[in-house]
Amino acid sequence: QKEVEQNSGPLSVPEGAIASLNCTYSDRVSQSFFWYRQYSGKSPELIMSIYSNGDKEDGRFTAQLNKASQYVSLLIRDSQPSDSATYLCAVMNSGAGSYQLTFGKGTKLSVIP
Amino acid sequence: DTEVTQTPKHLVMGMTNKKSLKCEQHMGHRAMYWYKQKAKKPPELMFVYSYEKLSINESVPSRFSPECPNSSLLNLHLHALQPEDSALYLCASSQAGVLSGNTIYFGEGSWLTVV
Repeated sequence: QKEVEQNSGPLSVPEGAIASLNCTYSDRVSQSFFWYRQYSGKSPELIMSIYSNGDKEDGRFTAQLNKASQYVSLLIRDSQPSDSATYLCAVMNSGAGSYQLTFGKGTKLSVIP
Repeated sequence: DTEVTQTPKHLVMGMTNKKSLKCEQHMGHRAMYWYKQKAKKPPELMFVYSYEKLSINESVPSRFSPECPNSSLLNLHLHALQPEDSALYLCASSQAGVLSGNTIYFGEGSWLTVV
């Protein structure tokens, strides 16, 4: 059973602070990792993808991947109230000739003005 | 803006009705997916089509019937649903045959209420 684990939160941070979201996964051969942001009542929106060990930065977002530790994280710098959402960690796995995402349960982030 | 378009955005249907959810993408992707999401839960995979052929069916009840008429379209036919089937249904697409560097993109979803 391929599993993705996240702290469910809620995680509350003050506006302007750094929010740190963490995720671990069980399938050692996984190669593709994603963070989706989901606002209440909306569909998941891709905000970061990472495929290699190390850091990947995009604006205020930094994804970090450590395949040896089977760990992926998302840092949000200068957090804004508009960042308040549920963040879903997802891992792409192959099987039966195609690919699928396995999601963590999501971490709810609240940014307090 | 998502390049995966789903219709309708909202659907209310009775337990004896037959309805369909539709999904279209023009990104040249050859893998398409249906996910179901209940409130406060992550999306759960239902079906995967790869090169217009059904490759994964996650033991979904037969009252849900997927169809992939061509590489751009994906339908989900609904019949004799139960109230517990009420959820957000998400269509997604990605490249097929590629794992490294691949990304799955979601549509905006169809909210289904079964009464």
